[in-house]
Amino acid sequence: DSGVTQTPKHLITATGQRVTLRCSPRSGDLSVYWYQQSLDQGLQFLIQYYNGEERAKGNILERFSAQQFPDLHSELNLSSLELGDSALYFCASGRGGRAEAFFGQGTRLTVV
Amino acid sequence: AQSVTQLDSQVPVFEEAPVELRCNYSSSVSVYLFWYVQYPNQGLQLLLKYLSGSTLVKGINGFEAEFNKSQTSFHLRKPSVHISDTAEYFCAVTLKAAGNKLTFGGGTRVLVKP
Repeated sequence: DSGVTQTPKHLITATGQRVTLRCSPRSGDLSVYWYQQSLDQGLQFLIQYYNGEERAKGNILERFSAQQFPDLHSELNLSSLELGDSALYFCASGRGGRAEAFFGQGTRLTVV
Repeated sequence: AQSVTQLDSQVPVFEEAPVELRCNYSSSVSVYLFWYVQYPNQGLQLLLKYLSGSTLVKGINGFEAEFNKSQTSFHLRKPSVHISDTAEYFCAVTLKAAGNKLTFGGGTRVLVKP
């Protein structure tokens, strides 16, 4: 158990819909990272938050957004969903610097 | 920008045989290097990391990796694999100034056969 909790584990939704994925980081970790894992793109960094502020952006679509709340949990919002958004979405947390990131179990999103 | 190449997408290996997974990276600045393992329907678990110091790094479950700066490689090895090592393995880098923002390779699927 990495200490990073993601909910829900599975999500099935229709095209055009909006979903919210939730992540609770490890106790004491200020950084939260979101990654997308798909068969064609592999593991890609989406976005990082540090103590409530956006710190870095990767290959995140404009239809996607995230935020980190004062209690440090984070949510990834995916809207106007397309079939190609079907993927495993991972959240990771860390303390930055030389420390490694710890990954949650992921949320498997299926868009039908 | 940095990039990571895992040279083998699949590696079949017999139980108790050695295995080497190859990873090359490119970056114009100093990086930290990691190997993660993903078991079926699981998240990513850190096997080992190279931050600085000795170029031979030992990790969990009997894995080790060697950092070679001149060849920009970070190959992962295990002298004797078990059935339970069947998984996908990811090499990743992060810039020293970028915290934990990881760039991953494409992954190597290891299938251990009895």
